[in-house]
Amino acid sequence: EAEVAQSPRYKITEKSQAVAFWCDPISGHATLYWYRQILGQGPELLVQFQDESVVDDSQLPKDRFSAERLKGVDSTLKIQPAELGDSAMYLCASSLTRSTGGTQYFGPGTRLLVL
Amino acid sequence: SQQGEEDPQALSIQEGENATMNCSYKTSINNLQWYRQNSGRGLVHLILIRSNEREKHSGRLRVTLDTSKKSSSLLITASRAADTASYFCATDPLGGKLIFGQGTELSVKP
Repeated sequence: EAEVAQSPRYKITEKSQAVAFWCDPISGHATLYWYRQILGQGPELLVQFQDESVVDDSQLPKDRFSAERLKGVDSTLKIQPAELGDSAMYLCASSLTRSTGGTQYFGPGTRLLVL
Repeated sequence: SQQGEEDPQALSIQEGENATMNCSYKTSINNLQWYRQNSGRGLVHLILIRSNEREKHSGRLRVTLDTSKKSSSLLITASRAADTASYFCATDPLGGKLIFGQGTELSVKP
């Protein structure tokens, strides 16, 4: 069964350093999402791509976060500089449908710890 | 911002018992979904119920939706230790953007 791939699975960094996360969605899925999940809470959407275009980045802290999906396939989320409050699980998801509220398929996540 | 509120926040039951989790939301929705998350892992989609549906079944799962009360419930029957996980409801009020609740942490003791 096809899965969403993410790497790395764990990342420890010091504050003010740069970090990057990679996601490879399920083949053929046009829509890709990046979520941040703080321990004990539900995921919150950071950015949504439709193919290579950003359709929603309203919750992305643009002063330090950036995301790209250059060829409309895999995607990278970057944080520069990292802050202590960025410690969280970063989840990538993809969905096949372009219409509303389709099922999303999640990767295993990247757990980030900022020291 | 999180639209869904789940109740209870934590639930502990014995294997074989039924588990019921509730979700309330604030705005009109197109559909509501339930996801499961095992500790430290990604989320797994369980079931989707559309706004014009009232009840849906999938194996040992039963989901109800009451749009007049803006609430949903997830029932897991004959629970197993492997059902131990966090369960999240997610609503789709704006098309394609899911908003997740805080989750219910379910512990099923053997």
